[in-house]
Amino acid sequence: EDKVVQSPLSLVVHEGDTVTLNCSYEVTNFRSLLWYKQEKKAPTFLFMLTSSGIEKKSGRLSSILDKKELFSILNITATQTGDSAVYLCAVTIIQGAQKLVFGQGTRLTINP
Amino acid sequence: NAGVTQTPKFRVLKTGQSMTLLCAQDMNHEYMYWYRQDPGMGLRLIHYSVGEGTTAKGEVPDGYNVSRLKKQNFLLGLESAAPSQTSVYFCASSYSITGNEKLFFGSGTQLSVL
Repeated sequence: EDKVVQSPLSLVVHEGDTVTLNCSYEVTNFRSLLWYKQEKKAPTFLFMLTSSGIEKKSGRLSSILDKKELFSILNITATQTGDSAVYLCAVTIIQGAQKLVFGQGTRLTINP
Repeated sequence: NAGVTQTPKFRVLKTGQSMTLLCAQDMNHEYMYWYRQDPGMGLRLIHYSVGEGTTAKGEVPDGYNVSRLKKQNFLLGLESAAPSQTSVYFCASSYSITGNEKLFFGSGTQLSVL
C-alpha cells in the first residue's frame, strides 16, 4: 500500500523561529514529491521535487528530496504569523494513471 | 482566470438524500480528481478521470459515483448520503505531462450529513 507520512502532526513555535517539517514515503512508481500550503480553503502549491539533493527555494521556504532514504524536508526560516497553516506533502505515483497520495499534514502555528 | 470552480460551497443533507457536486476547470487539463479531507487524515482520493468519458476509483470510492461527460466538468454524486460522508470535498485538476503534474484545487465544499 502506498503511504506518505508527515511529522510532526502539529507544531507551535514563536515568530522568528526556524522550523523543519518532515515527509517520508513508501510508494511504488514514484514520479515526484510536492508540498502544498493550506490556510482556510484550497491547498496552494509550494514546490515540486523530482531529483535528490537539489534544493528548491522560494523566499524563506526551501525544500529538498532524498530519494535513497525516501524523505523530504520543508524548511521555513524567520517564521511569521502568516506562515501559520497546514502543510501537506504529496507524492505523485504512476499506477496506470498519475495520482497524488497525500500525507496527513502538519499543522504549524506561529505565535507572535 | 477562474481556474477550478466548485459548487456548492456548503450543503447540509439528511441521511438518505442525494446530491451532486459540480467541478469545472478552464485550463484544458486532462486529469481531474475528487478528494475528501477529514481531520487528521489528509486528502484521500475518491475518484479520478484521465480524460473525457473515463473515470476510475481512488482510495475511498464507496458511496460515490462520478461522471465526466465533458473535458472541463467532473461531477461527484452521492446517491444516499450517510453521516460518514460529512467532510470537506475538493476537486482538483492537472496536466498529464511529466514534470507538470501539480494539482490545481477548487475552493472546497463543506458537506454535513445529519
